[in-house]
Amino acid sequence: ETGVTQTPRHLVMGMTNKKSLKCEQHLGHNAMYWYKQSAKKPLELMFVYSLEERVENNSVPSRFSPECPNSSHLFLHLHTLQPEDSALYLCASSPSSADTQYFGPGTRLTVL
Amino acid sequence: QKEVEQNSGPLSVPEGAIASLNCTYSDRGSQSFFWYRQYSGKSPELIMSIYSNGDKEDGRFTAQLNKASQYVSLLIRDSQPSDSATYLCAVRGPAAGNKLTFGGGTRVLVKP
Repeated sequence: ETGVTQTPRHLVMGMTNKKSLKCEQHLGHNAMYWYKQSAKKPLELMFVYSLEERVENNSVPSRFSPECPNSSHLFLHLHTLQPEDSALYLCASSPSSADTQYFGPGTRLTVL
Repeated sequence: QKEVEQNSGPLSVPEGAIASLNCTYSDRGSQSFFWYRQYSGKSPELIMSIYSNGDKEDGRFTAQLNKASQYVSLLIRDSQPSDSATYLCAVRGPAAGNKLTFGGGTRVLVKP
């Protein structure tokens, strides 16, 4: 188990539901990330937070809404998702946004 | 052209042999290179990082970097069945705002 934890580990939701993914890092890092990993596609960077400020938003649809209340916690709020949003959502952290990243275990999301 | 390219495999290797994985990248200004291992259903785990041309060895793993050829490789010596996983190449360069760009991964199967 790494110093980056994610909950829940599995989530099934309908297209009209609202849910949130949580990430917590215990490494004292200042940068946190959300990635999406779909079958047969490379890891896609979604959001980057550095010192609690969002520094990157890779043209992610507004149905994904990140929140970083402090340097240890990162959330991804989900609403009105589509079946094609089903994927493994990975959180990562690093000492700074230019350093090596360490991944959490991921949340396997299925949208029905 | 993909920014970071890997052969998807599977690369089938007999136990005890050397597995050789290749990765090419398009951003000539890239400075940092990483290899991650991802077991099925798990999150990526950092194996190696390399920043300078040449070889870097860590246990059974050797990373090789050739910036002139825009090529980075990973050798796994004395391959074990437990090395069976997908290996992700990641590159950090100015073209992507110094964020990590991942390749699609190479699946390695080590057969006893």
